[in-house]
Amino acid sequence: AIRVTQSPSSLSASEGDTVSITCRASERISTYLAWFQQKPGKAPQLLIYDASTLQPGVPLRFSGSRSGTDFTLSISDLQSEDSATYYCQQYYGFPPITFGQGTRLEIK
Amino acid sequence: EVHLVESGGGLVQTGGSLRLSCVASGFAFSTYTMTWVRQVPGKGLEWVATMSRNGVSNYLSESVKGRFVISRDTSKDTLLLQMNNLRGDDTAMYYCAKGLGYNGYDIDTFDVWGHGTMVTVYS
Repeated sequence: AIRVTQSPSSLSASEGDTVSITCRASERISTYLAWFQQKPGKAPQLLIYDASTLQPGVPLRFSGSRSGTDFTLSISDLQSEDSATYYCQQYYGFPPITFGQGTRLEIK
Repeated sequence: EVHLVESGGGLVQTGGSLRLSCVASGFAFSTYTMTWVRQVPGKGLEWVATMSRNGVSNYLSESVKGRFVISRDTSKDTLLLQMNNLRGDDTAMYYCAKGLGYNGYDIDTFDVWGHGTMVTVYS
């Protein structure tokens, strides 16, 4: 199965900052990578698919990029409501679909 | 508006069975992949099973193959997960998720999730 290694596992930043979360796939997955945001007690919400396509309704502060097998989620102008856990997901190797381990983002 | 509502979770003894349901509304249910994803409280997400768009193919993770069956009832716009021979490591919140359907393939991510139904397996 294709593995996705997500880092960091947690980070803390202030409102207005820009942060980046990365996922590295264990092999080539083209652009078949998505990013999700999950808040406590809630289901995950799709932010980005196809590595860089923003899901409708998601703020433009969120962006995704790809370089080879490395993928990055960037969040600019951090807001308090961005406090959540973020997951990447590869779906190229389906089945199985695999998720990254998650990154907990705290807004100071 | 698109909605997914799961039910059927609960407390079950090791070796027991449960059947989860996910009722869909607001979209053409039979034209999208439908998937079950689970999450142990406080832990990450794990893909469990996917029903293909045409309903002919279904895909299961190695951890549940031979014990779980995914199916759908298109007359009721309902996705099902029959879980047999349950084990302690099946304890999790189970989410139903709709395929995004942006590329016409079963290789897909998920744009709508239900609220989840909790399954607890005890010994």
